[in-house]
Amino acid sequence: DTGVSQDPRHKITKRGQNVTFRCDPISEHNRLYWYRQTLGQGPEFLTYFQNEAQLEKSRLLSDRFSAERPKGSFSTLEIQRTEQGDSAMYLCASSPLGQWGNEKLFFGSGTQLSVL
Amino acid sequence: KQEVTQIPAALSVPEGENLVLNCSFTDSAIYNLQWFRQDPGKGLTSLLLIQSSQREQTSGRLNASLDKSSGRSTLYIAASQPGDSATYLCAVSDSGTYKYIFGTGTRLKVLA
Repeated sequence: DTGVSQDPRHKITKRGQNVTFRCDPISEHNRLYWYRQTLGQGPEFLTYFQNEAQLEKSRLLSDRFSAERPKGSFSTLEIQRTEQGDSAMYLCASSPLGQWGNEKLFFGSGTQLSVL
Repeated sequence: KQEVTQIPAALSVPEGENLVLNCSFTDSAIYNLQWFRQDPGKGLTSLLLIQSSQREQTSGRLNASLDKSSGRSTLYIAASQPGDSATYLCAVSDSGTYKYIFGTGTRLKVLA
């Protein structure tokens, strides 16, 4: 069990560029979440996968954001045409598929995005 | 719409003190509540999970209670240590959705 891994740890990009982040969950975890966190705030839900199926997506998420989880393993989050307001820490979390309500969330260390 | 509030926003205490962090939520229809710890620039670590049918959970010096009907949870830290300095966040699993809703956290500093 190596924990949830996120890559890269830091990303600096210019406004208008596309960026992609990767998350490798704990191997036996079926549930995968993406959250976004800005300074002084709690994490804000972006999207949820159960295996390869994207079951929920925040209404706050614009069409510039897309996430995938092919084969129910790693996941990618892509942001197209980045804006300065996208600057934040992007966190990935996973949990096992058990009785709903009884699974702890395991977070990665996050990807810090800075849009110049 | 579920909203989670944490009070106080920041807290500074001398080493050895017992302390209580508060979390309140507006909709009592939750599956569970989790308390997390976050160190600066890092991800979150789950400390305690309380299912909706439970009243409290304990782990070492930490004790979390849940009063679902009043929409409140407390995290009690006994005999605080400088290593406890971090931001503590609570999150509720929103009934009917898959998301967890987080509070803004309490920033704790324990002085040696």
